[in-house]
Amino acid sequence: RKEVEQDPGPFNVPEGATVAFNCTYSNSASQSFFWYRQDCRKEPKLLMSVYSSGNEDGRFTAQLNRASQYISLLIRDSKLSDSATYLCVVAGTSYDKVIFGPGTSLSVIP
Amino acid sequence: DGGITQSPKYLFRKEGQNVTLSCEQNLNHDAMYWYRQDPGQGLRLIYYSQIVNDFQKGDIAEGYSVSREKKESFPLTVTSAQKNPTAFYLCASSTGLAGDLGPGRYQETQYFGPGTRLLVL
Repeated sequence: RKEVEQDPGPFNVPEGATVAFNCTYSNSASQSFFWYRQDCRKEPKLLMSVYSSGNEDGRFTAQLNRASQYISLLIRDSKLSDSATYLCVVAGTSYDKVIFGPGTSLSVIP
Repeated sequence: DGGITQSPKYLFRKEGQNVTLSCEQNLNHDAMYWYRQDPGQGLRLIYYSQIVNDFQKGDIAEGYSVSREKKESFPLTVTSAQKNPTAFYLCASSTGLAGDLGPGRYQETQYFGPGTRLLVL
């Protein structure tokens, strides 16, 4: 089993739709969780950290389920500008334990 | 403006040639990282540095070398021993680890430079 797994997609959704991505991780000792956004041929940029209690930032909601070892990202009212690849990142307690998932591709269609 | 810069944006390597990718940050971050990204794959850690004059191998260090003589700079050399160097190389930095030792410790957010695309002629 890979350390961090994501559905590669692509997810093709119309503007205004709600879309959810899941990410599963194998290391139960993982401590920090993030969602990054990566546009085509650009660097990843932090979208949001994921906290144990779940957190929301505008149209984006992140959830963590430690018991089942997955995190999720919900995007409401999708915009064309949300089209990108979304990377799930899971980190442990040392510098070399930051694992990036392969990413999920989202295309928002007019 | 604080940030991370990488140069060049594109780099071409000939057979048997060593090339060096530059990474500079003015965020006053202690930790710096080099990753490689291949199409359809997640980022893979090449080297990381927790502090000046210290660096450690990541998962795919073979064929690469680094130095950390200054806090702001973490150059990566792709040597001729790296047989498949074509990739997108990303440098990142962070304040490092936070929290208490052991299970309470956690990773701070990593911030990325714009990347260098390395192509083999």
